[in-house]
Amino acid sequence: ETGVTQSPTHLIKTRGQQVTLRCSSQSGHNTVSWYQQALGQGPQFIFQYYREEENGRGNFPPRFSGLQFPNYSSELNVNALELDDSALYLCASSFRSRTSFGANVLTFGAGSRLTVL
Amino acid sequence: AQSVSQHNHHVILSEAASLELGCNYSYGGTVNLFWYVQYPGQHLQLLLKYFSGDPLVKGIKGFEAEFIKSKFSFNLRKPSVQWSDTAEYFCAVNEMNSGYSTLTFGKGTMLLVSP
Repeated sequence: ETGVTQSPTHLIKTRGQQVTLRCSSQSGHNTVSWYQQALGQGPQFIFQYYREEENGRGNFPPRFSGLQFPNYSSELNVNALELDDSALYLCASSFRSRTSFGANVLTFGAGSRLTVL
Repeated sequence: AQSVSQHNHHVILSEAASLELGCNYSYGGTVNLFWYVQYPGQHLQLLLKYFSGDPLVKGIKGFEAEFIKSKFSFNLRKPSVQWSDTAEYFCAVNEMNSGYSTLTFGKGTMLLVSP
């Protein structure tokens, strides 16, 4: 089975710019979650996509947005970049059944490291 | 919202030493608990998980963790560490919300094992 792949692996932007990060989920998974991992911190939940809709969001402003496509891949978009957006952005996929959303094991990608200057 | 506390940010051990990394969480209800590991230059990988049943769970590479409900703890242990265990370790708790579940992570513990 293929794992979770993310692109690009590294990128540098300047303040005020916009960025799009991409993620392909693991085969058989239908849910994608995005996390931000700042230096020296644990991953923080940004949002989750299931059936092409955002169904949960952490404490992040609306300039963080996303998409999920019919093949379950996903994008994370960040507008009006700020210096504090510099971080490793992690995508994680999992399988959720239609009838419940119980605890599930996340499979993580290697991340996209964003530097904002 | 839940919180996860990992007691040590950095741990340095010699090979063959025993390891215990502390993890405490805040939620008082039913919890699902995880330890993830991030080896240098690699992605986060699941080390072990607790959903229910035996509170002593065994994971990959000789790691184990014990869920103690009364102490809100899920400490990670290994009797004898190897140089290859050098990595960052994250404790996480599953949080159930309205319509979705997600993981809340601790800040991580960086383990350095000297040969």
